[in-house]
Parts: sequence; C-alpha cells; structure tokens
Amino acid sequence: GAGVSQSPSNKVTEKGKDVELRCDPISGHTALYWYRQSLGQGLEFLIYFQGNSAPDKSGLPSDRFSAERTGGSVSTLTIQRTQQEDSAVYLCASSLKLGEAGELFFGEGSRLTVL
Amino acid sequence: SQKIEQNSEALNIQEGKTATLTCNYTNYSPAYLQWYRQDPGRGPVFLLLIRENEKEKRKERLKVTFDTTLKQSLFHITASQPADSATYLCALNSGGYQKVTFGTGTKLQVIP
Repeated sequence: GAGVSQSPSNKVTEKGKDVELRCDPISGHTALYWYRQSLGQGLEFLIYFQGNSAPDKSGLPSDRFSAERTGGSVSTLTIQRTQQEDSAVYLCASSLKLGEAGELFFGEGSRLTVL
Repeated sequence: SQKIEQNSEALNIQEGKTATLTCNYTNYSPAYLQWYRQDPGRGPVFLLLIRENEKEKRKERLKVTFDTTLKQSLFHITASQPADSATYLCALNSGGYQKVTFGTGTKLQVIP
C-alpha cells in the first residue's frame, strides 16, 4: 500500500476483554515497530520485527501483551484481559530495512479505550 | 539509566523568529539521530536524520546539529510560521541500529 495502515482506528472495549490491533506496513519494508503513546506522553517502544522475527520483546509492558508478524508483512498486537491503564494510542511504523539508518513511516495509530 | 530528554514545556515563539529545540541523551551511543513532527491525532512524520560523524544537516528551513561530546542535538526552524506549530520528537537508535527510542517531544506554538 501507499502507507502504513492500522486498524481499527478506534476501539472501545470493556476491562477484561481481549483486543487485536493490526498493522499493514509499506510493501517491501522488512522492519516493523510497535509503540504506545499515552495522552500527552511520548512514544513508548514496545517491540520491533525484522521479517517475522522479534529479537527484543523487553518493551512489552506485561505478559498480557503479545505480537506476531506473518509473511514478513502484516503484524498483530494482541492485548489480553485489558486493563484501564492499557488505554492509549498504539502506533505502528515500518522502515525499509533493520540495521540501516533510515526513517520510520508511521501509521495513524489505533486509539484504544478500556472502560 | 538511559534517557532522552526534550523540554517538556511548550515553546511559544513569534512568527518569523527562529525556533530552537533541544534533545539531550544519557547512556546512549547512537550512530544516528532523527527528528519527527507530530500533529494532534496523527502519527509522527520524519523530518531529518543526522549521523554521528555529521555535525550539521539542513533541509529547507530546518537545521539539525549533533554533538556527540555534549550528547545533544539541536533542531532549528528558521523563519517560523504558524503552520510549524506541532510537537517535535527526537529519536535515536540503540542496540545497534535495531531499536529506535523516542524522546517525550516538545510542543512548539508559533504565534502570528
């Protein structure tokens, strides 16, 4: 696609429910990143992928968070048993190749509200 | 611990003046540093990248400096315009090139 696409753009859920957030990166971009941005805050690094592999999962806030990437393309961030503190905008970015200096292309984010 | 610090207070400047934003980092040895612009409700947009062996980089009205001794980058917008009002984020790599970490951002308001 022309840019990084994220869905849903908005998600309201009840505490305790599971949610899935999807990221479709720019075609040909092998590196993919997930960040979380709480209201008025900076970007909190969650995880990155090179191809389908996630070498560093240390940024995931708890074991309720998981992410996968299939076919070197689409990635899904799953939050199980959501809590109110999970409310934030989840941003996905892709870049041409991990291991080389280059710009990150961001999607518009998925705004998650946990009631 | 590792830190990337940007002025958390909003910066208000008059139209036509030069805006200067600061990014300081601690316990990183980045090979490069990037600056992004973020408008409300939108994802960040890349502006400039500067490598550790570069002192200065320019693009139109934007200028970035990178001082690895001071562990600081300065971001300048000359002849600022109200349309430049946004939050500006610096980002640098760690763990090789692999992890890109962002500062908290500085909100710039250009007053007509």
